Amino acid sequence: DAKTTQPPSMDCAEGRAANLPCNHSTISGNEYVYWYRQIHSQGPQYIIHGLKNNETNEMASLIITEDRKSSTLILPHATLRDTAVYYCIVRVAQGAQKLVFGQGTRLTINP
Amino acid sequence: GAVVSQHPSRVICKSGTSVKIECRSLDFQATTMFWYRQFPKQSLMLMATSNEGSKATYEQGVEKDKFLINHASLTLSTLTVTSAHPEDSSFYICSARGLADTQYFGPGTRLTVL
Repeated sequence: DAKTTQPPSMDCAEGRAANLPCNHSTISGNEYVYWYRQIHSQGPQYIIHGLKNNETNEMASLIITEDRKSSTLILPHATLRDTAVYYCIVRVAQGAQKLVFGQGTRLTINP
Repeated sequence: GAVVSQHPSRVICKSGTSVKIECRSLDFQATTMFWYRQFPKQSLMLMATSNEGSKATYEQGVEKDKFLINHASLTLSTLTVTSAHPEDSSFYICSARGLADTQYFGPGTRLTVL
């Protein structure tokens, strides 16, 4: 699976949009971009995933560049409960493919 | 939908005893479940892949005789830490493969070995 690079930490003001970047320059054509987050002392929570088109759900939006070498997770109106470690992972979607977690981005939402 | 539970959420045991952790997919069937371990201030590390009805596949460096995995049904996988020692104290998290091959995670089990 391709490796990802994320900033170790970010801050965002409550109510503003939080934009979390991820670089995956070695991504293969059949690899998807997945985002999970982990709130302190809990299991990771699935947020969103995509292949090449931008995706949106009730939690967030995922913007993938045209060359697929990077992506951005957008939390449109961040709340204090969005404070967590956010993981960007790339992997083949089909089959029982394991997830390899990097160090992620520690996002802190400030009041 | 796609809820995964773990039991117990927290366990304290004496050194040398064995501890069993259960992972259940509550509203979907999971032919594949995964077990992770997370030490303080570190990321999740995959320990093994559990397939229903067959032997688990362990990651390099994980002792299969120490961490026994059983996946006897499509909704239940168990991890038994045998002869636990203080260095096994960690946060153990399972996940289950659901719709569209997305993995959904349990809330985790914090194991403390005295």
